[in-house]
Amino acid sequence: QVQLVESGGGVVQPGGSLRLSCAASGFTFSSYGMHWVRQAPGKGLEWVAFIRYDGSNKYYADSVKGRFTISRDNSKNTLYLQMNSLRAEDTAVYYCAKAHSVDTAMVYPMDVWGKGTTVTVSS
Amino acid sequence: QSVLTQPPSASGTPGQRVTISCSGSSSNIGSNYVYWYQQLPGTAPKLLIYRNNQRPSGVPDRFSGSKSGTSASLAISGLRSEDEADYYCAAWDDSLSVVVFGGGTKLTVL
Repeated sequence: QVQLVESGGGVVQPGGSLRLSCAASGFTFSSYGMHWVRQAPGKGLEWVAFIRYDGSNKYYADSVKGRFTISRDNSKNTLYLQMNSLRAEDTAVYYCAKAHSVDTAMVYPMDVWGKGTTVTVSS
Repeated sequence: QSVLTQPPSASGTPGQRVTISCSGSSSNIGSNYVYWYQQLPGTAPKLLIYRNNQRPSGVPDRFSGSKSGTSASLAISGLRSEDEADYYCAAWDDSLSVVVFGGGTKLTVL
């Protein structure tokens, strides 16, 4: 079955960096766009970034643009999120999620989600 | 402030029917599919409705979605205690080039 497993979370000081990974299995990873979504403690869901199936296009939330970079390695079935210049407000559970459709005419929201990895930005 | 607007809370008694609204604009709900997610306490979100009104396999037919213009709704009939969760709507926004979420609705089964 489709499985997404995030890793790389932890505690980091403000201004620091962290790289999250998401290992995908159970589907043709190279055919699907992928999302990162986060959820701050006690808050709602916030979309972070999307990357097309081949990495040709990337989209970011304004709150992370210029600081976070989404990337993928289709040979390793792995999605990444490089997070730089981290701030306290980036503290959240970060979820990796698969786009619902292979249709490249538009960006589809998420269908399958991982269990998430926790990032805490604190001194 | 979320781009999509949901009521922060909803409630009902077992067996009742409840609806959760999601209001947007022409650049998101008005021109793209609406998706709904259920998040049980302490767990990852789960897809409940896709493409406005389609249910993934395994989702009970007690859950249904609809869309009209720039608004969408999630209906839950035959309410059960295990439906107590947070519910979120989402859609792609053509103007912002981002996925937008509603702020979430906490459903309480009384």
